[in-house]
Amino acid sequence: EIVMTQSPATLSVSPGERATLSCRASQSVSSNLAWYQQKPGQAPRLLIYGASTRATGIPARFSGSGSGTEFTLTISSLQSEDFAVYYCQQYNNWPPKFTFGPGTKVDIK
Amino acid sequence: EVQLVESGGGLVQPGRSLRLSCAASGFTFDDYAMHWVRQAPGKGLEWVSGISWNSGSIGYADSVKGRFTISRDNAKNSLYLQMNSLRAEDMALYYCAKGTGWELSSATDYWGQGTLVTVSS
Repeated sequence: EIVMTQSPATLSVSPGERATLSCRASQSVSSNLAWYQQKPGQAPRLLIYGASTRATGIPARFSGSGSGTEFTLTISSLQSEDFAVYYCQQYNNWPPKFTFGPGTKVDIK
Repeated sequence: EVQLVESGGGLVQPGRSLRLSCAASGFTFDDYAMHWVRQAPGKGLEWVSGISWNSGSIGYADSVKGRFTISRDNAKNSLYLQMNSLRAEDMALYYCAKGTGWELSSATDYWGQGTLVTVSS
């Protein structure tokens, strides 16, 4: 099973600042990597898939990069609605076990 | 508008079974893979199982393999999860989620609101 790790566990950022979240896979997942945002009491929301493609309706301040085992989600200028937990997920074809990372909580500094 | 509505959750004793359902609407169901993802109270997301558009490819997390069975009925626009030999650690909110493509290996772009499974004696 591919193990996903995320860092940091918590990121304290001021509104308007840039946030950089990291995700690492225990083996290559090519570009089969997605990022999700989850707010309390809500279902997760897809932000990025294919490591760098924004999902429909996602603002341009969200960007993803990386391939293989190292990935990054960047939020260029944090808005109040961006404070949430962010998860990465690999969906590599084999083995078909699409594991999530433990999450990074982005909170207000 | 895409809608995914889960049902079938509830309180069940350890070792017993439960069947979850997900009713899909607002998209061509048999064009997309579907997935189940769960979240224990206060914890992170755990992918449970996924199924390709035609049920030709199926995957399970190690934690549920051999106990859970995913299936779909494209004629009824429905996804199912048969959960047997339930354990305390299976207690979670179970989400149904739509894949971004037809094949199993896909991200998930729409999620339901979840159905809660409580395992307790």
